[in-house]
Amino acid sequence: GAGVSQSPSNKVTEKGKDVELRCDPISGHTALYWYRQRLGQGLEFLIYFQGNSAPDKSGLPSDRFSAERTGESVSTLTIQRTQQEDSAVYLCASSLNPGLRYEQYFGPGTRLTVT
Amino acid sequence: GQNIDQPTEMTATEGAIVQINCTYQTSGFNGLFWYQQHAGEAPTFLSYNVLDGLEEKGRFSSFLSRSKGYSYLLLKELQMKDSASYLCAVPMNYGGSQGNLIFGKGTKLSVKP
Repeated sequence: GAGVSQSPSNKVTEKGKDVELRCDPISGHTALYWYRQRLGQGLEFLIYFQGNSAPDKSGLPSDRFSAERTGESVSTLTIQRTQQEDSAVYLCASSLNPGLRYEQYFGPGTRLTVT
Repeated sequence: GQNIDQPTEMTATEGAIVQINCTYQTSGFNGLFWYQQHAGEAPTFLSYNVLDGLEEKGRFSSFLSRSKGYSYLLLKELQMKDSASYLCAVPMNYGGSQGNLIFGKGTKLSVKP
């Protein structure tokens, strides 16, 4: 079946502009996660959605970052007034259940470059 | 706090065996994941250990020692396609959230002919 998809695959933007990244999780997966991977670094957790519960936003690095999810489907990550340090690959993952042992399926990521 | 350490890079020869180590410090323990990430691609799940011992899955095996805060990924009969980064990760353990993973920086494995 279809995996996690993300769009766009690449995004180049000027400093100060807003960007919106999209994630389509695997159908039926209730949990959705956003991570950021800077060059040469490990993945950093950003935000987590589970069903209709309030999202866990504890990983968002600043108030310029926000995310939404419609039910158990599409999610969008928005970065306002982008800065050069926002340049990274943004990865979305989904899992069948939010339980600790459930593997996460990752999308191909969106490579964001802020010039 | 929570911390994960793994070597930055390793090199091995095709057909050989390589062991990639991971040490972790967590407040509470809820298992440990290994993911494989080829350059420019998404991470893919390899293994999950929550009990001590070795779990074998084909050419790949994963070991866990909870008392030592230590895990390793063992790759046998290395193939060129095994050249990738191997990520060690543990679930965060706080509040009501579940499943958020803390990742190590990854070990870049290069397999040489």
